[in-house]
Amino acid sequence: AQKVTQAQTEISVVEKEDVTLDCVYETRDTTYYLFWYKQPPSGELVFLIRRNSFDEQNEISGRYSWNFQKSTSSFNFTITASQVVDSAVYFCALRPYSSASKIIFGSGTRLSIRP
Amino acid sequence: DAGITQSPRHKVTETGTPVTLRCHQTENHRYMYWYRQDPGHGLRLIHYSYGVKDTDKGEVSDGYSVSRSKTEDFLLTLESATSSQTSVYFCAISEMGQSSTDTQYFGPGTRLTVL
Repeated sequence: AQKVTQAQTEISVVEKEDVTLDCVYETRDTTYYLFWYKQPPSGELVFLIRRNSFDEQNEISGRYSWNFQKSTSSFNFTITASQVVDSAVYFCALRPYSSASKIIFGSGTRLSIRP
Repeated sequence: DAGITQSPRHKVTETGTPVTLRCHQTENHRYMYWYRQDPGHGLRLIHYSYGVKDTDKGEVSDGYSVSRSKTEDFLLTLESATSSQTSVYFCAISEMGQSSTDTQYFGPGTRLTVL
């Protein structure tokens, strides 16, 4: 099976707390690509990051960081010092190399940041 | 931001009527996609196109057809709308296909209600 699991349906934290969104994937391909997208209340889908399966280096972009671990098939997303503007639904996605451009999305995690 | 527009942005229609949604891009990307977004399901691929007049089915293609007569336009048609097709529809584009990292960029979405 090729799928993405985001077990956390909803998370609510107080502003300035750190929060981690979990993503676990399954694929039979040895080459694949992982993505995170953000969907704010306005509804658009915003691309955040892409990670290739052969590059396990973690990435940091401002308050955002991503931890990719092939050994556990996980690609977790951490927001440090969360802000109200981070409130959104976050989707993790997988594109196996053999999938002919088809991306498999997780069901999303709704993150609410309380002031 | 990728130049992707969708029209209409909102539509209410009645069961049994035909509906066509339009996706227009100004990026000259080869691949275009139609997804639907429903609560608890994330995004599911309906159809995609890998070039003018070249299309293929996604995981939820029943009841939908597509056409692509120009690089910039990708049309999604519901021949006879049903209430189960009430959803938010997203168009996406990507520059290259299977041999690339294939990041997809999304349009603003169309909210369709079938009464």
